[in-house]
Amino acid sequence: EADIYQTPRYLVIGTGKKITLECSQTMGHDKMYWYQQDPGMELHLIHYSYGVNSTEKGDLSSESTVSRIRTEHFPLTLESARPSHTSQYLCASSESSGEQYFGPGTRLTVT
Amino acid sequence: EDQVTQSPEALRLQEGESSSLNCSYTVSGLRGLFWYRQDPGKGPEFLFTLYSAGEEKEKERLKATLTKKESFLHITAPKPEDSATYLCAVRPNSGYSTLTFGKGTMLLVSP
Repeated sequence: EADIYQTPRYLVIGTGKKITLECSQTMGHDKMYWYQQDPGMELHLIHYSYGVNSTEKGDLSSESTVSRIRTEHFPLTLESARPSHTSQYLCASSESSGEQYFGPGTRLTVT
Repeated sequence: EDQVTQSPEALRLQEGESSSLNCSYTVSGLRGLFWYRQDPGKGPEFLFTLYSAGEEKEKERLKATLTKKESFLHITAPKPEDSATYLCAVRPNSGYSTLTFGKGTMLLVSP
């Protein structure tokens, strides 16, 4: 079944740790995105990719980095987590029509 | 700069009480307007895409309409399971697939 997966779903980690949030899709889409969403607030685009070896920064400044080595995989990395990184992180993919399909999200808490 | 404003921020309805949610937008040429449903702690679920003024889309108790300045999501005879946050997003004619989201309307339908 075509779907988009994110792991872990929940993560509590201490300040200064390096973390990688995983995102994989079996939708066959070329385009993938990472959003950050705080409670009651809109989604903010932090990274996107139009294909393998293509990555761009989004509207919201972020200290995270991404890579796109395989079409189906788009991991997000924080080299040194801080409490300000506490948020929900959502991964999405789309085809050319623009409709984006989202994963279940990762709720990150940095203590 | 593209902007999306949704109103009201929150709406409480009785089961069977029909209403409408509003999405006002300013964008440099609209390439698509998208409606999503988001349940607490989950990723947004795609509902509709509208491309041009006058277009309408329906799905069960939901109907989305589009004008040159705003979109409405009409909910007819809602049920408690329709309770969720409804998000609106726009895609400009800039040639990219990135979306700008509104903050959403939190809908609560009481039995």
